[in-house]
Amino acid sequence: GQQVMQIPQYQHVQEGEDFTTYCNSSTTLSNIQWYKQRPGGHPVFLIQLVKSGEVKKQKRLTFQFGEAKKNSSLHITATQTTDVGTYFCAGRGGADGLTFGKGTHLIIQP
Amino acid sequence: DGGITQSPKYLFRKEGQNVTLSCEQNLNHDAMYWYRQDPGQGLRLIYYSQIVNDFQKGDIAEGYSVSREKKESFPLTVTSAQKNPTAFYLCASSSGGAFNQPQHFGDGTRLSIL
Repeated sequence: GQQVMQIPQYQHVQEGEDFTTYCNSSTTLSNIQWYKQRPGGHPVFLIQLVKSGEVKKQKRLTFQFGEAKKNSSLHITATQTTDVGTYFCAGRGGADGLTFGKGTHLIIQP
Repeated sequence: DGGITQSPKYLFRKEGQNVTLSCEQNLNHDAMYWYRQDPGQGLRLIYYSQIVNDFQKGDIAEGYSVSREKKESFPLTVTSAQKNPTAFYLCASSSGGAFNQPQHFGDGTRLSIL
């Protein structure tokens, strides 16, 4: 079945440093979604990418979808303490649903 | 406010007992989903429903059952056949077709074994 690998599992950064998490799929995706889950909370939708090579920005967050539609990344510029949480990618390869990566836990040291 | 309400927040199950987790949404969404989240893991799909009176198995449906008698409600029953039910259960909904629209999640139910 479809697998979505997400790295790194944990990332410690100093406040103000940049952060990137990567997702790689074993199959070509029709779309990929990104979610953020704060500690003790529920996932919150951030963005969806659909087109090959697509790049979308939300303030300090930049999302990319690879040309082959098998990989994606989320980059945060100048992290803030409010960015703490776990970032999940979720890819759709077919009609069977979204496959979530295991998430990257972002820990920020002030 | 529109949203998804899950109850209870915490639930304890005894051996051999079936328990039902409630999920209600007032977003007028057609599609609803149940996911299981284990520590350090991503979300795994249990069941989903795209329309009333219809639902499909996800990746880990064994030991679970659902119903979709009303558009706004999608309860999940964890049966005694589910041997490792301790987890965080998340319900979600989305408009339009399943899996190609943003999913809105409830606050979750934490299920533990007594």
